[in-house]
Amino acid sequence: SQTIHQWPATLVQPVGSPLSLECTVEGTSNPNLYWYRQAAGRGLQLLFYSVGIGQISSEVPQNLSASRPQDRQFILSSKKLLLSDSGFYLCAWSVSFAGGETQYFGPGTRLLVL
Amino acid sequence: AQKVTQAQTEISVVEKEDVTLDCVYETRDTTYYLFWYKQPPSGELVFLIRRNSFDEQNEISGRYSWNFQKSTSSFNFTITASQVVDSAVYFCATSGSARQLTFGSGTQLTVLP
Repeated sequence: SQTIHQWPATLVQPVGSPLSLECTVEGTSNPNLYWYRQAAGRGLQLLFYSVGIGQISSEVPQNLSASRPQDRQFILSSKKLLLSDSGFYLCAWSVSFAGGETQYFGPGTRLLVL
Repeated sequence: AQKVTQAQTEISVVEKEDVTLDCVYETRDTTYYLFWYKQPPSGELVFLIRRNSFDEQNEISGRYSWNFQKSTSSFNFTITASQVVDSAVYFCATSGSARQLTFGSGTQLTVLP
């Protein structure tokens, strides 16, 4: 069966510090990978998605970036965090097939920027 | 562009009551998919169901049931005999040709003992 991991689970960082969040998927090959952010108030915002190694699509311009160095690894980064980067970051995976796809989410990382 | 509206921000019921969560969607795609996810206090989004736009058959899974009506662009979710463990935020979502999920703003369900 497939599992998705995210770490760290929680993170408190000062403004201006760098960020690296990691997401890994087990039990599947060549998944589509996604990063979402959920700010207070519950809305889910798609940040990045990737259909393969080195292929990243950005949905929202911001000071965040994403990379996919391996097939089942997806990293969210920032060189300098802003207060507005605080939130709950969710990674998701899916596999495409003729009937569509379903995204499955990881446990998330809670980020607080002070 | 796609849009999902969950007009009910918060719902509170007493255990064993039935509760229906409303979802109205907008899309220009002829083929699209509808989803429901549950987000318990732990935060992880748990997949509940996916429906294809060409399949309007309603579905029942235990205490959960879903009513898909293309004529009203609705995909409502009913929990029968609610339990305290059903307390969570529930999200309706849709995806089409662009693959990406568009989420509603969520409904906070509180089931009181």
